[in-house]
Amino acid sequence: DIQMTQSPSTLSASVGDRVTITCRASQSISSWLAWYHQKPGKAPKLLIYKASTLESGVPSRFSGSGSGTEFTLTISSLQPDDFATYYCQQYNSYPWTFGQGTKVEIK
Amino acid sequence: EVQLVESGGGLVQPGGSLRLSCAASGFTFSGYWMSWVRQAPGKGLEWMANIKDDGSEKHYLDSVKGRFSISRDNAKNSLFLQMNSLRAEDTAVYYCTRGGKERFDRWGQGALVTVSS
Repeated sequence: DIQMTQSPSTLSASVGDRVTITCRASQSISSWLAWYHQKPGKAPKLLIYKASTLESGVPSRFSGSGSGTEFTLTISSLQPDDFATYYCQQYNSYPWTFGQGTKVEIK
Repeated sequence: EVQLVESGGGLVQPGGSLRLSCAASGFTFSGYWMSWVRQAPGKGLEWMANIKDDGSEKHYLDSVKGRFSISRDNAKNSLFLQMNSLRAEDTAVYYCTRGGKERFDRWGQGALVTVSS
C-alpha cells in the first residue's frame, strides 16, 4: 500500500497568513493526488485534484503543486472559514489512501 | 443540487451485520463510480470500497474484503454497503461519496456505525 505522510500534523496560524501543508507519498503517484478539508462534525470537501486542479467553486486562494512523491497545498491568505483539518489522498494505485491529516488552528 | 443521503447506521453487536444505503439525487447516478469512505472516532479517513458506474467492477480495502460488499441499483439511484462479521474496529462514520475511480467530489453527511456488545 502507498503510505501518505502529511506535515505538519498541527499548524497554528492567523487570518491573512500564507499556509503550506506538505504531503509525501511512499512511492511515486505521478499527479494522482487530491486535497480535502473537513470541519468538525461535517463531511470532507474536495479542494484540489490531479495535484493542482482547483475544484469548481473552491476559492482561488487554494493552490496545489507537486508530482511524484512530494506535494504541497498552499492557502495564500488564510480566512476564518479555512480553519479545519486537511487531508491528501492518492489515487494512483489501490487501495486509495489518505494522509493522517493536518489540523489548521487559530493562533 | 447533488445530494447523497446515507441511512441504516446504528448499534450492532460484534459478529453482527448491517446494511448501509445511500440515496443519490441531483445528478445522473448511473454515470458515476461511487465509493464508501469511513472515519473512526477522532481518526482520519479510510477508503473502503468502490464500484463502477454499471456495477461491473468493484474494489475493496483488504481488511474488509470478504466481509463487506458494495452494490448499487441504478434504477433506484441507490448505493449499498452490506457489512458482515462486524468488529469493534469497524466502528466509524461511513460516508457515501461520488467518485472513487479517482477523487471523491461529493460526500454525504455520514452514517454512524457502532460495533459494541
